[in-house]
Amino acid sequence: NAGVTQTPKFQVLKTGQSMTLQCAQDMNHNSMYWYRQDPGMGLRLIYYSASEGTTDKGEVPNGYNVSRLNKREFSLRLESAAPSQTSVYFCASSEAGTSGSENEQYFGPGTRLTVT
Amino acid sequence: SQKIEQNSEALNIQEGKTATLTCNYTNYSPAYLQWYRQDPGRGPVFLLLIRENEKEKRKERLKVTFDTTLKQSLFHITASQPADSATYLCALDWWSGGGADGLTFGKGTHLIIQP
Repeated sequence: NAGVTQTPKFQVLKTGQSMTLQCAQDMNHNSMYWYRQDPGMGLRLIYYSASEGTTDKGEVPNGYNVSRLNKREFSLRLESAAPSQTSVYFCASSEAGTSGSENEQYFGPGTRLTVT
Repeated sequence: SQKIEQNSEALNIQEGKTATLTCNYTNYSPAYLQWYRQDPGRGPVFLLLIRENEKEKRKERLKVTFDTTLKQSLFHITASQPADSATYLCALDWWSGGGADGLTFGKGTHLIIQP
């Protein structure tokens, strides 16, 4: 099992450009998440999805959109990138929503995004 | 808003000793509290989860305590090894048993185990 995979690993954008970060998990998890990690700020939740077809805002959703394409895939889109969106982005998944499960989360390797 | 405090300075421990990391939080106690390990350039890795009605949980050389009165969790690594050097993240988890809930993370404590 690959676990949680993310593409790309690195990306440099100019202000105003758009891009989509891809995430996939092969653990048959119901729930998926997008976090960003900035120096001195810790991990902050951007959006999450409890199941296919549902998405909800987290702590810092402004400037982002998400799509839960199917049970495996959860993408994060930046429509018009800004320097403040320079960060490391992590996707995660968990069994939350499955009977008897707990909410421990499995993270991908991250995407390092720089917006100039 | 909920605040989580972890030691912001690096913690230096001699190999073989017990490392103790602290996580304090304000306001409401979560249903669960989780600890993760993060190595440079990598995603966090889940270590342990403790429920609000559990006082202590162990896994091999790891031990977590959860005191909802003090609003504090302690994370212990016994017989520490240089390979334990990493950043350790505390996360509050209000999951109620239904669908997804994201976690609220602390900023992490950088642990250095010196040979």
